[in-house]
Amino acid sequence: DIQMTQSPSSLSASVGDRVTITCRASQGISNFLAWFQQKPGKAPKSLIYAASSLQSGVPSKFSGSGSGTDFNLTISSLQPEDFATYSCQQHYSYPWTFGQGTKVEIK
Amino acid sequence: QVQLVESGGGVVQPGRSLKLFCAASGFTFSNYDMHWVRQAPGEGLEWVAVVSYDGSNKYYADSEKGRFTISRDNSKNTLYLQMASLTTEDTAVYYCARGVATIDFWGQGTLVTVSS
Repeated sequence: DIQMTQSPSSLSASVGDRVTITCRASQGISNFLAWFQQKPGKAPKSLIYAASSLQSGVPSKFSGSGSGTDFNLTISSLQPEDFATYSCQQHYSYPWTFGQGTKVEIK
Repeated sequence: QVQLVESGGGVVQPGRSLKLFCAASGFTFSNYDMHWVRQAPGEGLEWVAVVSYDGSNKYYADSEKGRFTISRDNSKNTLYLQMASLTTEDTAVYYCARGVATIDFWGQGTLVTVSS
């Protein structure tokens, strides 16, 4: 199975900050990488697929990059509604696997 | 609008079985692969299984292979997850999710608690 490792596990940031989360795959997955946002007690929300394509309705402050084994999710200007846990997931081969999540907290 | 509504969760004893349901509406169900993803309390997301749009192909996470069975009924717009030989490690919120190449929409989840 492909292992997905995110860093950091958590971070503290202020409103307006630019935030970058990293995800690394244990083997090359081309651009088959998705990002999800989850708030406490809620279902995940799909943000990005194919490493850099935004899902419908997702604001452009979210962006994704990377290919192969190393990927980034960037939030350009953090807003109060963006404080949540973000998870990456490879959709290159089954079984699909998720990173452990990165919790973005208010500083 | 797109809706995925899970049901069937609850408290079940270790070793017993349970069947989960996911009712889909607002889109052409038979056009989409469907997934189950779970999340244990305080833990991250774990992909469980997928069934192809026509039910012909199924894949499972290694930990569930042989105990869980995913299926669908396109005439009823419903996804199923039959779970057997449950252990306390299967305690989680189970989400159904829609996707072809990737997941694009999630249900709200149903809680399964395995406890004696």
